Formats: sequence, structure tokens, C-alpha cells
Amino acid sequence: AQKITQTQPGMFVQEKEAVTLDCTYDTSDQSYGLFWYKQPSSGEMIFLIYQGSYDEQNATEGRYSLNFQKARKSANLVISASQLGDSAMYFCAMNRIQGAQKLVFGQGTRLTINP
Amino acid sequence: NAGVTQTPKFQVLKTGQSMTLQCAQDMNHEYMSWYRQDPGMGLRLIHYSVGAGITDQGEVPNGYNVSRSTTEDFPLRLLSAAPSQTSVYFCASSFSTGGGGYTFGSGTRLTVV
Repeated sequence: AQKITQTQPGMFVQEKEAVTLDCTYDTSDQSYGLFWYKQPSSGEMIFLIYQGSYDEQNATEGRYSLNFQKARKSANLVISASQLGDSAMYFCAMNRIQGAQKLVFGQGTRLTINP
Repeated sequence: NAGVTQTPKFQVLKTGQSMTLQCAQDMNHEYMSWYRQDPGMGLRLIHYSVGAGITDQGEVPNGYNVSRSTTEDFPLRLLSAAPSQTSVYFCASSFSTGGGGYTFGSGTRLTVV
């Protein structure tokens, strides 16, 4: 079974600072994908970034990067130069690349950006 | 493209009533799934489908039925609503590998009284 753990229920960061949201995972699969989603107060789920387990380079998407450390089974999200609009819930998730595409979520981290 | 469309956005049911939450996608995705989100918890998988005619149970399937007669549609049926089913429901779809990300609908907020 796959499991995602997000140990930070809430984080408070000053605007323009970088922020790291922690995510550790557990799986016996060799091929898996790691995802981060943002959920603003409006409730929609917004896909941010994806990392495949065989990708050697860390994924980046604009101000978002995924710090993938396979041996430690961690997939932390780094947001550079945070903005007020980054205030939201952030979910880490994973799936098995082959076979049934079940997406397993962590409990989330609520990020608040202070002006 | 509309992406993933969920209806209704809000619903109040009485205990014991049945209803169907609709989900449709226009991206030709093979994989579709239903999640529920409860306060303080992440999303939990209810049912999923890897293609038309193929469905399977997720983590919390009790009290829910699904079917997938077309690639586009994946309705979720509540057979006899219970207060424990008060939640926000999300439908999601993706291509088979999921690497491009799962696209979520805007959610249905269901209250069972």
C-alpha cells in the first residue's frame, strides 16, 4: 500500500520568502509518480507539479520545484519568492505508474503568506 | 475545453434519500475517479475506473455505486444517504500514466440532514 505523510499542518511565511512544504512517502513500487496540488479557499484542486520516480532531475514549474530525494522517500515542494496568492492548502499525492491509477493523498499543509 | 464538469455544485439530502452526482470530461481520459474530502483530511478515493465498462473500489466505497458506460461520463450514486456522507466530492480524470496530472472537477458540496 502507498502512504503519504505531510507533517506540517500549518505554516506561516513572510511574503517574498521561499517556503518548503514537507512530504514523505512509503511504497513498495519501483515505478511511481509524485504530485503536488494547491487548494485555495475557493475549493478547486489545482495541479502544480509532477515527479516520476525514474526522473533524475528535480521537476520545476515556474516558482515551484520538487525536491525529490528517492533514498529518503521525500518529495518536498519548494515555492520561491512567495506571494499572497500562494496562501492555500497544499496536498502531496502519489500513484503507481503501471496498473490502476489510484491517487493517494496526504492530509495537507495550510500555508499562510503574511504581507 | 470544459475539462471535468461536476453537477450539482451544492446539494442537501435527507437521510435515506438517493441521488446521483454527475461527472463528465471532454479530454478523452481513460482514468476517472471519485474522491471525498472531509475537514482536516486529505482526499480519499471512493471508486475509480480505468476505462468504459471497468470500475473498481477505492478506500471508502461503502454506500456508493458507480458505472462507466462511456469514456466521458462517470456518475456516482448514493444509494441511501447518511449523515456520515456529508462531504465535498471531487471527480478527477487523467490519461493512463497520470504523469500529466489529474484534472479535478470543481467539487460537489453535499450535506445530509
